[in-house]
Amino acid sequence: GENVEQHPSTLSVQEGDSAVIKCTYSDSASNYFPWYKQELGKRPQLIIDIRSNVGEKKDQRIAVTLNKTAKHFSLHITETQPEDSAVYFCAASRPGGSYIPTFGRGTSLIVHP
Amino acid sequence: DAGVTQSPTHLIKTRGQHVTLRCSPISGHKSVSWYQQVLGQGPQFIFQYYEKEERGRGNFPDRFSARQFPNYSSELNVNALLLGDSALYLCASSFQGRETQYFGPGTRLLVL
Repeated sequence: GENVEQHPSTLSVQEGDSAVIKCTYSDSASNYFPWYKQELGKRPQLIIDIRSNVGEKKDQRIAVTLNKTAKHFSLHITETQPEDSAVYFCAASRPGGSYIPTFGRGTSLIVHP
Repeated sequence: DAGVTQSPTHLIKTRGQHVTLRCSPISGHKSVSWYQQVLGQGPQFIFQYYEKEERGRGNFPDRFSARQFPNYSSELNVNALLLGDSALYLCASSFQGRETQYFGPGTRLLVL
């Protein structure tokens, strides 16, 4: 089955810095890669996703890049703010009868004011 | 427009007991997935249902079962609870079980 590795497990940055979280996946058939943000005690919320037919996608301060050849994808957050502090999860899923994502273990992002 | 709802929010059980967790999807969504999230890890897939049919099952023992009702709500049942079943149980809904999934607030289960 699919295996998703996520690094780093913890990331501490100063407000205004950029943050990058990286994930690798094992199944070359995976073609959908969502990123979720989970604040303490709350539900995971989708913040951005990318499909394998594109290499990069941006939404304001958030961007995701995908390298299909190397089977890795990354989340980039620019101009970080304290409210960006949360646990971020990447996931990968393959096409078929159902899109069942495999999640990474999460990255705890801490943004210091 | 209501999002995914789950009940109860918290639950305390003892080993060997049975538990039923409930989920109502976003209006118009016909697929529900269940996940187990233990502290410090990402959600682990348990089941996916679409139109009352099981579409996928994760690597969980037969003590875990689920079903989906005609109104697309769903129940997750866990029998013979173990201490290791303590976790946050998340339900997610999607349109036809495709791609984008929206999570509910979860049910936090503690097994003593």
